[in-house]
Amino acid sequence: SQQGEEDPQALSIQEGENATMNCSYKTSINNLQWYRQNSGRGLVHLILIRSNEREKHSGRLRVTLDTSKKSSSLLITASRAADTASYFCATDGGYQKVTFGIGTKLQVIP
Amino acid sequence: DADVTQTPRNRITKTGKRIMLECSQTKGHDRMYWYRQDPGLGLQLIYYSFDVKDINKGEISDGYSVSRQAQAKFSLSLESAIPNQTALYFCATSDPRRSSYNEQFFGPGTRLTVL
Repeated sequence: SQQGEEDPQALSIQEGENATMNCSYKTSINNLQWYRQNSGRGLVHLILIRSNEREKHSGRLRVTLDTSKKSSSLLITASRAADTASYFCATDGGYQKVTFGIGTKLQVIP
Repeated sequence: DADVTQTPRNRITKTGKRIMLECSQTKGHDRMYWYRQDPGLGLQLIYYSFDVKDINKGEISDGYSVSRQAQAKFSLSLESAIPNQTALYFCATSDPRRSSYNEQFFGPGTRLTVL
């Protein structure tokens, strides 16, 4: 079964708006990662947040982590059409492999 | 990521045929993984290997086998393909000693269709 579950499963916004995706997980983690997948292609690592961190930024990306609620969010600010992709959270529970969620499909309309 | 390559990129085969998907990497990573992606189900781990002598089953290993021929090569085989193995297959690598924790580096994928 999947460790992470993203919400919403699909999101459509206008260019320039912010996009927020959420991820919930079930067991304790060492870190949580977000990946991006363009249609039919391999996943690309975006950002990693450790279990002792609450927030992290990278360019237009902002990730938060609430270990008490077992949840994370990915915020993409000032979205662009090129941000259209699927976004996956992946949890690393320290068992030397990561577990991926089912993803959020983001469409940014020009 | 061009450092992780998969062959073939697309394959159409018939039920009962034996299929091998190959993965090569030039990143020098010890860990390699095979994932399967179905629409709406995200990625599921089939097999993973932490070094040449270490092979482990993932969530959905039934019907699949793997071979780690060298640090750089990890092959996935379907001994007798069936239609519900139609999916997008990804190879990935990682090396916590060299990159951020267990960050995964993915190949471009192999689209497999079993008729």
